[in-house]
Amino acid sequence: EVQLVQSGAEVKKPGESLKISCKGSGYSFSTYWIGWVRQMPGKGLEWMGIIYPGDSDTRYSPSFQGQVTISVDKSISTAYLQWSSLKASDTAMYYCVRPQPVTWGQGTLVTVSS
Amino acid sequence: QSALTQPASVSGSPGQSITISCTGTTSDIGNYNLVSWYQQHPGKAPKLIIYEGNKRPSGVSNRFSGSKSGNTASLTISGLQADDESDYYCCSYAGSLWVFGGGTKLTVL
Repeated sequence: EVQLVQSGAEVKKPGESLKISCKGSGYSFSTYWIGWVRQMPGKGLEWMGIIYPGDSDTRYSPSFQGQVTISVDKSISTAYLQWSSLKASDTAMYYCVRPQPVTWGQGTLVTVSS
Repeated sequence: QSALTQPASVSGSPGQSITISCTGTTSDIGNYNLVSWYQQHPGKAPKLIIYEGNKRPSGVSNRFSGSKSGNTASLTISGLQADDESDYYCCSYAGSLWVFGGGTKLTVL
């Protein structure tokens, strides 16, 4: 069974750093693009960016370029989404997604509050 | 990439059919047959209901159907049921990234 399993919920303070993860299983992780989707409270879905694990080719949506870092460790079939300095506005649910064929992780809730 | 354009809300009565539009450009919907549709109930993760324009995943009711004309994709729900009341999002490949629509709230009257 193809699965994407994300790390657990996080509560952080503004200015702190954070790295959340997404582990793929049941398929050849290195040969499918995988990306991250943000959903802020009460808002819609937004593609943040996408990475090809085979060569780490990474593309960011313009709104997220420079705001987050997407990376991957193909040796352990895991993708990451990282912030160096969190803001309250980063509070959201984050989903990892393999867009083709479609598979979604269960989501990671990130709460940033002082 | 700009977000795809969806109506903010649509409504229909039980048993009726409704259609939700999703308008893009020649850079996304118009150039690729890679439009998907998601249903999201409050507090839940999005559920894929249509992929590659008009294909239904296993287990999704055949009351849901997808189509495309030019730069606009559409989701049609026939025989509306109370449980169809939800948010719906379209998504398209856009050449190097993917882009979502703003979402449509479906109300079943």
